[in-house]
Amino acid sequence: GAGVSQSPSNKVTEKGKDVELRCDPISGHTALYWYRQSLGQGLEFLIYFQGNSAPDKSGLPSDRFSAERTGGSVSTLTIQRTQQEDSAVYLCASSLGGSTGELFFGEGSRLTVL
Amino acid sequence: DQQVKQNSPSLSVQEGRISILNCDYTNSMFDYFLWYKKYPAEGPTFLISISSIKDKNEDGRFTVFLNKSAKHLSLHIVPSQPGDSAVYFCAAYSGAGSYQLTFGKGTKLSVIP
Repeated sequence: GAGVSQSPSNKVTEKGKDVELRCDPISGHTALYWYRQSLGQGLEFLIYFQGNSAPDKSGLPSDRFSAERTGGSVSTLTIQRTQQEDSAVYLCASSLGGSTGELFFGEGSRLTVL
Repeated sequence: DQQVKQNSPSLSVQEGRISILNCDYTNSMFDYFLWYKKYPAEGPTFLISISSIKDKNEDGRFTVFLNKSAKHLSLHIVPSQPGDSAVYFCAAYSGAGSYQLTFGKGTKLSVIP
């Protein structure tokens, strides 16, 4: 497809389990972002990748969160030992370059931690 | 500390009337502002933007106004249509080449036929 693709669209897991969320950005987009939206909140920045530069991880809420981007394309966000407060919609976005402007978002992965 | 604030969680407007969505910010370093629109179960989509060197930007039925001294921006939709019913997010960032958009909590707009 032409848009940002995320999987799974829905994930229900038990507290303490690890989860992996995947993002396939738009082809040719060098910048990739992860945001999350908790219930009733705005979009919270998590991490940013730009080309081969070191990612900006300043938004990751704890060391249980990590992300990687392989080959400058697909990205995986991993949450270890999930907690109930991790429940949110995790949104991936990509853009043509490093300057923020028009971000193209995927449909998100809704994570529910029981 | 919320740097981008949308104080109205919801707004209802009659079809054909004007919708005005408001946004306030606290960070004086912000110099580029965007509005995103989000339908349920979809990701946000870019709607319109404005840089701090302007005070107005128009695109069809959508106009964004920026008042830098008041650190306030607004999105006007006229005439409003039922298909405009969605959650609207205000976002901002600072500096050319900056990459971290700061979002507000969103305003849910309902346009009543």
